Amino acid sequence: GAGVSQSPRYKVAKRGQDVALRCDPISGHVSLFWYQQALGQGPEFLTYFQNEAQLDKSGLPSDRFFAERPEGSVSTLKIQRTQQEDSAVYLCASSFGGYAYNEQFFGPGTRLTVL
Amino acid sequence: SQQGEEDPQALSIQEGENATMNCSYKTSINNLQWYRQNSGRGLVHLILIRSNEREKHSGRLRVTLDTSKKSSSLLITASRAADTASYFCALGDTGGFKTIFGAGTRLFVKA
Repeated sequence: GAGVSQSPRYKVAKRGQDVALRCDPISGHVSLFWYQQALGQGPEFLTYFQNEAQLDKSGLPSDRFFAERPEGSVSTLKIQRTQQEDSAVYLCASSFGGYAYNEQFFGPGTRLTVL
Repeated sequence: SQQGEEDPQALSIQEGENATMNCSYKTSINNLQWYRQNSGRGLVHLILIRSNEREKHSGRLRVTLDTSKKSSSLLITASRAADTASYFCALGDTGGFKTIFGAGTRLFVKA
């Protein structure tokens, strides 16, 4: 596709539910990033994939957060037993090269609201 | 923490004026990027400057990087109402994987 796409765009979950957020990066992009953005703040790094390898997951806030990119393209961020503090916009970005040396192309984000 | 800190937090100017935003950081980086975010287009990459570069231009944008002072500035010349957005500096972590964003400068350009 022309850009990074994310689905769903909006998700409302009851506290304790599991959610899965999908990211379709730009075709051929090696790097994929997930970020969490709270209202009025900058994006906070969650995790990084280089192809299918998750090389950095130091930003995941708890073991309830899990990300995968099994075939090196589409990625899924899963949040188990959601809590109200998980409410945020989750952004996915991809870039052509490896590491954090190149510009990142961001998707529109998924706005998660946990009630 | 390597988090970038933008200054000012908010800026309001008239159309046609220049806008300058600053970013300071604490440790070594391998690159610094500027992004713009508005409700219509999400986060968009503006410009990347590498640690061995001092200045870059792109259209009405001019970015400087002073690694000795650990600071960068973004200048938008001849601002337009459409430049109204939040602007973030993003640090390329020396570890190679992370990009660390600051809290942003909210720019409002009055027509």
